[in-house]
Amino acid sequence: NAGVTQTPKFQVLKTGQSMTLQCAQDMNHNSMYWYRQDPGMGLRLIYYSASEGTTDKGEVPNGYNVSRLNKREFSLRLESAAPSQTSVYFCASSWTSGLVGGETQYFGPGTRLLVL
Amino acid sequence: QQQVKQSPQSLIVQKGGIPIINCAYENTAFDYFPWYQQFPGKGPALLIAIRPDVSEKKEGRFTISFNKSAKQFSLHIMDSQPGDSATYFCAASSGNQFYFGTGTSLTVIP
Repeated sequence: NAGVTQTPKFQVLKTGQSMTLQCAQDMNHNSMYWYRQDPGMGLRLIYYSASEGTTDKGEVPNGYNVSRLNKREFSLRLESAAPSQTSVYFCASSWTSGLVGGETQYFGPGTRLLVL
Repeated sequence: QQQVKQSPQSLIVQKGGIPIINCAYENTAFDYFPWYQQFPGKGPALLIAIRPDVSEKKEGRFTISFNKSAKQFSLHIMDSQPGDSATYFCAASSGNQFYFGTGTSLTVIP
């Protein structure tokens, strides 16, 4: 099992450019999440998908869109990148909420994004 | 505002010492409190987690102490080893909404 995979690993964008970060999990998890990690800020939830076909905003959704393509894949799109979106982006997945142990999140290796 | 406050920001201990990392929260709706360990260049990995109906949970050298009335919880690492050097994050959740602390960088000196 690969767990949670993310592509690309590193990306440099110019202000105003768009890009899509890809995430896939092979653990048959229902829920998937996108976080950004910034120095001194910890991880902040951008969007999540509790189940296939649903998406909801997290703590910092502005400037981002997401698509839950199927149960395995959850993508994050930056339509017009800004320097404030320079960050490390992590995708995570979990079995489900509401069940003991189901909340355990498994994280991918991250995508390092630099917006100039 | 920060939903989960974590301290200290950094911690240096000798091998065999017992580092303690503290977290505090305000939202009483939180019902799941995990701790994550992150090594440089890697994603966070779950270390141990607790629910508010118990006051302590131990897994190997890692212990969570939970004080529901004070809305605080802490991570203790017994007999710390150089391999424990990493960044540790506490978190709190309600449903699918997860809030993380700002992290503690732990260095264990051989």
